Amino acid sequence: AQSVTQLGSHVSVSEGALVLLRCNYSSSVPPYLFWYVQYPNQGLQLLLKYTTGATLVKGINGFEAEFKKSETSFHLTKPSAHMSDAAEYFCAVSLNTGNQFYFGTGTSLTVIP
Amino acid sequence: GAGVSQSPSNKVTEKGKDVELRCDPISGHTALYWYRQRLGQGLEFLIYFQGNSAPDKSGLPSDRFSAERTGESVSTLTIQRTQQEDSAVYLCASSFYGYGYTFGSGTRLTVV
Repeated sequence: AQSVTQLGSHVSVSEGALVLLRCNYSSSVPPYLFWYVQYPNQGLQLLLKYTTGATLVKGINGFEAEFKKSETSFHLTKPSAHMSDAAEYFCAVSLNTGNQFYFGTGTSLTVIP
Repeated sequence: GAGVSQSPSNKVTEKGKDVELRCDPISGHTALYWYRQRLGQGLEFLIYFQGNSAPDKSGLPSDRFSAERTGESVSTLTIQRTQQEDSAVYLCASSFYGYGYTFGSGTRLTVV
């Protein structure tokens, strides 16, 4: 069975500080991994994804994530938080392209001025 | 269209009534997915359509929920005899065989 765990339902950081949102997964086969962002009253927007190849993946808005198979993790980071980064972030896993996604419960990021 | 379109964007209904939610996928996208997002929770998979294959209905929570899709076009999610626990945002997504996975803005359903 596949599942996704996001540690910390709420994370607060100061503007300019490092953003670290944690995601661990369980999967019976090598997964595809995704991070989505959801701004208030909007749909989900893909930040980045890992399918194969390089384990450090760069996405939009300065975010990146590293796939660590040994730790079954796919943590999302950004070196310097911006006020506009305040949103809900979801980690997701799928077995391969075309299959349904399994989502974590989300992490709400607050950026303090 | 340019994106996945869902309608209505908001729906308030009385308990016991039936509702229909609509999803217009991106033109040419073969796959369509429905998810439910309850307040403060993650997304729950409901149902997945891929082309003309039999849909994966494994996520539908009860027989009050059903969905249809004709070919690679519009899909409707129907909830019969709505209950208060059905209140949630219902999100639709589409993809081309898993590529270009794009979500709509969702329908916020409130059952009163």
